[in-house]
Amino acid sequence: IVLTQSPGTLSLSPGERATLSCRASQSVSANYLAWYQQKPGQAPRLLIYGASSRAIGIPDRFTGSGSGTDFTLSINRLEPEDFAVYYCQQYGTSIYTFGQGTKLEIK
Amino acid sequence: QVQLVQSETEVKRPGSSVKVSCKASGGTFSSQTVSWVRQAPGHGLEWVGRIIPTLDIINYAQSFQDRVSITAEKSTSTVYMELSSLRSDDTAIYYCASSPIGAPLYWGQGTLVTVSS
Repeated sequence: IVLTQSPGTLSLSPGERATLSCRASQSVSANYLAWYQQKPGQAPRLLIYGASSRAIGIPDRFTGSGSGTDFTLSINRLEPEDFAVYYCQQYGTSIYTFGQGTKLEIK
Repeated sequence: QVQLVQSETEVKRPGSSVKVSCKASGGTFSSQTVSWVRQAPGHGLEWVGRIIPTLDIINYAQSFQDRVSITAEKSTSTVYMELSSLRSDDTAIYYCASSPIGAPLYWGQGTLVTVSS
């Protein structure tokens, strides 16, 4: 399954809302779609699994939605620490795949 | 909470092999899926493969199918990833990550593998 993320780069200001998209080339089984945040020099951090469930300790300003082939990560009221690269990943088949990433940068 | 500790930085010659280890401390890999993910400098995340030690299930990404081997040593809660026929474009940080829910939750610190003549 090929995952295509858009946009490649998103320029926003703190306090604004971010909307990131992840589109799959075929339906993701059981909506096994995850979102990760990665900051420079750090390992990725799991934000969302099962398309819409927040991982432990993730603030409620992060919301995952979608099903089938179209998924969205929304971040309300952007905080300075939210500016990073975000990846989606499907794990609904025995072969997992990642999207190419969306860079969220400060405008 | 499971913590994953990976082996140290490696420098390898083209054509050789590298074996990276990932040890669970503060827990085991019981009922966990352990994935390997790599990230080349300035690039995104690339899934390499996974193992479910308790079920002896192993899967590899097609692009690595012929060159990678993932194994588990249950007695020491250690998972290994061996990559052979190394090329310069295998230079990357290799992460292990485990999870009871499929999607990688606990991540190792990463192991830098540099392939250079």
